Amino acid sequence: AAGVIQSPRHLIKEKRETATLKCYPIPRHDTVYWYQQGPGQDPQFLISFYEKMQSDKGSIPDRFSAQQFSDYHSELNMSSLELGDSALYFCASSLDPTGGKVFGPGTRLTVT
Amino acid sequence: DAKTTQPNSMESNEEEPVHLPCNHSTISGTDYIHWYRQLPSQGPEYVIHGLTSNVNNRMASLAIAEDRKSSTLILHRATLRDAAVYYCILRDAREYGNKLVFGAGTILRVKS
Repeated sequence: AAGVIQSPRHLIKEKRETATLKCYPIPRHDTVYWYQQGPGQDPQFLISFYEKMQSDKGSIPDRFSAQQFSDYHSELNMSSLELGDSALYFCASSLDPTGGKVFGPGTRLTVT
Repeated sequence: DAKTTQPNSMESNEEEPVHLPCNHSTISGTDYIHWYRQLPSQGPEYVIHGLTSNVNNRMASLAIAEDRKSSTLILHRATLRDAAVYYCILRDAREYGNKLVFGAGTILRVKS
């Protein structure tokens, strides 16, 4: 079965650079969620989109922005990268809002 | 989001049942109980969810106390592949956005 696809899987950037992470949800899933997981920490919710509109916002820094496109894929744009942004970034998608969410394999971002 | 409390860690022998407890004494009537797990270096994985009645699926069973103040995730025969962090999460069905808020989960170790 198709899963959530994230690209790139690994990304190395320098401080103050920008990064764009992409998420391709499972076909027909209309909701996308972004999570950040720092080393040794639990996943933290960043932002979500439903039918291309932002549906919820968590602890996402102002330096980050995201959007969902007409084909339902989503991109997380990160600017002025800081060392503390080094983390795993997970995308998840869902169709039924009360049911389970399917997570992608994550993008490991390293900021040097 | 209502708070859940889980043991920091548990240990199990391979091929034996595992009962992972979760306390949620402040649960509201519209809170669904979700369980996710995260294997090392992977994204979280949906396990099971329920509202009031016990639930079974191919991965696990969810036993919900009659007063809904606690629940137990049951893995019927633990395997080495079940070693993961297990998260018990409450999600209010009334809440727009349907995000999951991860707290501190239970690290399950499985011994061969």
